[in-house]
Amino acid sequence: QVQLVESGGGVVQPGRSLRLSCAASGFTFGSYGMHWVRQAPGKGLEWVAVIWYDGSQKYYGDSVKGRFTISRDNSKNMLYLQMNSLRAEDTAVYYCARDTGWDQLLAYWGQGTLVSVSS
Amino acid sequence: DVVLTQTPLSSPVTLGQPASISCRSSQSLVHSDGNTYLSWLQQRPGQPPRLLIYKISNRFSGVPDRFSGSGAGTDFTLKISRVEAEDVGVYYCMQATHFPPLTFGGGTKVEIK
Repeated sequence: QVQLVESGGGVVQPGRSLRLSCAASGFTFGSYGMHWVRQAPGKGLEWVAVIWYDGSQKYYGDSVKGRFTISRDNSKNMLYLQMNSLRAEDTAVYYCARDTGWDQLLAYWGQGTLVSVSS
Repeated sequence: DVVLTQTPLSSPVTLGQPASISCRSSQSLVHSDGNTYLSWLQQRPGQPPRLLIYKISNRFSGVPDRFSGSGAGTDFTLKISRVEAEDVGVYYCMQATHFPPLTFGGGTKVEIK
């Protein structure tokens, strides 16, 4: 069965960096687009970034463009999110999610990892 | 970016009764390929979101048939025919027609009266 497990969250000071990881299993990782979606405490969902199945294309939400970088290693079944210049407003649970097709985006989700940006 | 507005913000429902959630888009969600990429997600308390409905009215794998989606253009509706206790949570509409970015509605909380 599809399994996505995020890791790498924690408490970090403003301006510092953090890298999140998402370990995928139960499917052919290199065949699917992958996303990061975040949710601030008590708030709604915000799309962060997407990477094509082969890494050829990447897109970002405006609030993270230029600071965050999505990447993947298909040989290791791993998705990453490098987060630089972190701000208090980046505090959220970060989820990785997998597409099934263009019409079934965000079809499978991990449990999430909490990032808290605070001095 | 496309703005999705959901109503109501909260929907108290009696068990076994229907519930309905509206999602209105700031622009038409009909894609140039003729499809409408409007989805609904459910987030139970303490859980990650879960895809329920895609392309307006198609139930994702394993989703009970008491969930149905309808609509066209800029106005969409999620209906639960008979609310069960496990349906408590927050429901989000999401559009992918005008991607990037993916955008979500603000969420509607379904709770039991």
